[in-house]
Amino acid sequence: DAGVIQSPRHEVTEMGQEVTLRCKPISGHDYLFWYRQTMMRGLELLIYFNNNVPIDDSGMPEDRFSAKMPNASFSTLKIQPSEPRDSAVYFCASSTNSYEQYFGPGTRLTVT
Amino acid sequence: GQQVMQIPQYQHVQEGEDFTTYCNSSTTLSNIQWYKQRPGGHPVFLIQLVKSGEVKKQKRLTFQFGEAKKNSSLHITATQTTDVGTYFCAGPKDSSYKLIFGSGTRLLVRP
Repeated sequence: DAGVIQSPRHEVTEMGQEVTLRCKPISGHDYLFWYRQTMMRGLELLIYFNNNVPIDDSGMPEDRFSAKMPNASFSTLKIQPSEPRDSAVYFCASSTNSYEQYFGPGTRLTVT
Repeated sequence: GQQVMQIPQYQHVQEGEDFTTYCNSSTTLSNIQWYKQRPGGHPVFLIQLVKSGEVKKQKRLTFQFGEAKKNSSLHITATQTTDVGTYFCAGPKDSSYKLIFGSGTRLLVRP
């Protein structure tokens, strides 16, 4: 059974460019979470969805960040325009209603 | 706001020594979870504790949930080099599915 799939695994982009991160949750999981991890701020929840509907986006840093979940098997996190301070590892995780979360391998984003 | 704190931040032990990390929440938790993240890897779910005073064991790992459901601990007996990584506790915010993660304890093991 495949776990959470994220792409790309690494992304290097220049400041001002648009970045799109992709996630495929585990089949049958109805919760999807986007996290950002940095040394300074640790693991932060950005947004989470339940049955494709955004439930809590209070962790989204600012309007440059947006997330969508058009169907149960796909979600995107978009940053436009990107800034150097957005450099981090972005994780997607999914779960059922049992609280435990399954994380994807992450996307390491570097904005120069 | 609700906070989850972990100590110590780092722990460097000799292989075979024991290790303990502590987690404290500013509010009562409905449950607490523990995750392990290997260097360069992603967090991996270890266990969930739900009941007050609950103790669970996984081989050399012992997890405990405090009586007041505000604190928890993870104890590793006789560490091995495979235990290297960062251990996070996490609790739900206001009983929602939103998890608040602790800052993590990074364990280094000298062979």
